[in-house]
Amino acid sequence: DAGVTQSPTHLIKTRGQQVTLRCSPKSGHDTVSWYQQALGQGPQFIFQYYEEEERQRGNFPDRFSGHQFPNYSSELNVNALLLGDSALYLCASSLSWRGGYNEQFFGPGTRLTVL
Amino acid sequence: AQSVTQLDSQVPVFEEAPVELRCNYSSSVSVYLFWYVQYPNQGLQLLLKYLSGSTLVKSINGFEAEFNKSQTSFHLRKPSVHISDTAEYFCAVSAATDSWGKLQFGAGTQVVVTP
Repeated sequence: DAGVTQSPTHLIKTRGQQVTLRCSPKSGHDTVSWYQQALGQGPQFIFQYYEEEERQRGNFPDRFSGHQFPNYSSELNVNALLLGDSALYLCASSLSWRGGYNEQFFGPGTRLTVL
Repeated sequence: AQSVTQLDSQVPVFEEAPVELRCNYSSSVSVYLFWYVQYPNQGLQLLLKYLSGSTLVKSINGFEAEFNKSQTSFHLRKPSVHISDTAEYFCAVSAATDSWGKLQFGAGTQVVVTP
């Protein structure tokens, strides 16, 4: 059973460019969350997708956008990159259901460096 | 909203010695509590969790954590560490009222085990 996969592993971009990161959830999972982990910090919640819609959003600007596809995979897009966007971007998947706890399974992350 | 404070940014410890990582949280609602471990250049792995019931929870590799509601703490302990326990450890909370399971992380504690 494949876990959460992310691509690419590493990415180098320059300021002002746009980037797309990809995530495939764990088999059977239908909800995808994205987190940003800056160097030396804990992960920060960006947003969460379920049924191809953004369900929750953290304190991130509109330059950060996402998408979820019918097969539950997801993309994270960042426009007009800033140096401060350099971070490890983590994708987590979970199985949606109401009234309880949804364990999130994390992928290995994509390391984005903005020069 | 929830917040998490990890009181130690780095904890050096000798092999076979005990270690304690401190975590305090703030929340106006009931929470679920987690400890994640991150090895170098990897994603997050769930170490243990508290959802309800017994306030002492244990992992398969010798870690344990105790939920203390009155002190709003969830400290992680291990009686005897190994070199392989060298990693970064993150405490996280999720509001029990949030069925989507969004996680709020602390800043992390780097554990360095030396012979």
